[in-house]
Order: sequence, then C-alpha cells, then structure tokens
Amino acid sequence: DGGITQSPKYLFRKEGQNVTLSCEQNLNHDAMYWYRQDPGQGLRLIYYSQIVNDFQKGDIAEGYSVSREKKESFPLTVTSAQKNPTAFYLCASSVGQGYYEQYFGPGTRLTVT
Amino acid sequence: GESVGLHLPTLSVQEGDNSIINCAYSNSASDYFIWYKQESGKGPQFIIDIRSNMDKRQGQRVTVLLNKTVKHLSLQIAATQPGDSAVYFCAENPSYGQNFVFGPGTRLSVLP
Repeated sequence: DGGITQSPKYLFRKEGQNVTLSCEQNLNHDAMYWYRQDPGQGLRLIYYSQIVNDFQKGDIAEGYSVSREKKESFPLTVTSAQKNPTAFYLCASSVGQGYYEQYFGPGTRLTVT
Repeated sequence: GESVGLHLPTLSVQEGDNSIINCAYSNSASDYFIWYKQESGKGPQFIIDIRSNMDKRQGQRVTVLLNKTVKHLSLQIAATQPGDSAVYFCAENPSYGQNFVFGPGTRLSVLP
C-alpha cells in the first residue's frame, strides 16, 4: 500500500524546544516537500528536496531545518528560532520537480505554547 | 478537525446540484494547474489537472476549465454529494522545474 505517512498527527511542545516532524514515503519519488498551512492562506513552501543529500529553501525556511539522508525520508525540524510555529504541516512527494502531481501526507498539527 | 480554512470563502450547494468553484491565478506564464480537495483533518488529494494548451478537461463528475485570457480556473462538480464537502484549492506551476503556488481555497458545503 503506497503512500506518504506523517507522524505524529498531533504534537504539543513548549516554547524554546526544537521538535522534529517525520515524513516517510514508499512511492519511490525523488522529490519531497514540506509545506505550512495556516487558516485562510494557501500552502507555503518551507523546504524541498529533489534528490537524496540535497535540499533547497522554500519561501519561509527561517526557523526550520531538514535533512534528506534517505530517499524515503524527509524529516522537518521546527527550531526555537521559528517565531510562530503553531500550524498544520504537510509533507508531499512527487516523481520530480515540475509538471508532476504532488502526493500529500495526512499532516501534523503542531501546537507550541 | 483542523482549523484549516477558517476564513475561506464558502460555497453552499444543495445535494444533487452542480457546483462551480473558481480560482484566479497570478502568473500569466503558468502552464500547468492542479485542483486539490482537502477534507477536514486530512492532507490534500489530487482531483484533476490541466495544461495550458487545453481549455477544458473532464474527469469523473468533475470538469476543469481554463481561461488564460483572464487567468481564471474553475472546477465544476456535477451532482454534488455530501462526500464532496471539503476545501478545494488550485495550484499553478509557473514553469517546468519551478515549484507550485497554491491558492487559499474555497470551502464547499453540501446541504441535504
């Protein structure tokens, strides 16, 4: 059963703590993405990776970090430097960057208090 | 469910009626578009896509229309069902090798 998994579904953290969100795909996709979704706004790109061991900043990368050590995995760390981290985070993957459908995971709701 | 779409425009339709959801895109150079459906608490799901060399594409119960002159995209859902209730948003790709730009979405509410 192919797809993208994100865990956990809900995550709660105190201010000042770093937290890592998991994203795994078994679709054999080269490209992976992290988006942030806030009420009333379109998805905003945080980071993306076109290939293992390479990743690029998106539009709102400040306060976030990623790694891509394996093709299947693209974890996102929300650091204490992110000023407004409470949001819904979506991971996606695609065959490649460009005219390809992006498949999304179920999302992680992060609440920082 | 998630608080996605708290301040989105809402379209309410009667079950069985047709729905039309609109999207104004920003870049006249965009040449690939996707419509996604997002149910509460879930990730977006692909519905249908269209390239700029087409002005209409049909799927199962859905049709996408593209008007490049006014940079407008629409999604038509025939015989709307309760399961169609969700937030729908469009995504545009400015050119090959670039990343998608996503619209904020429209909440579709199906009335019994």
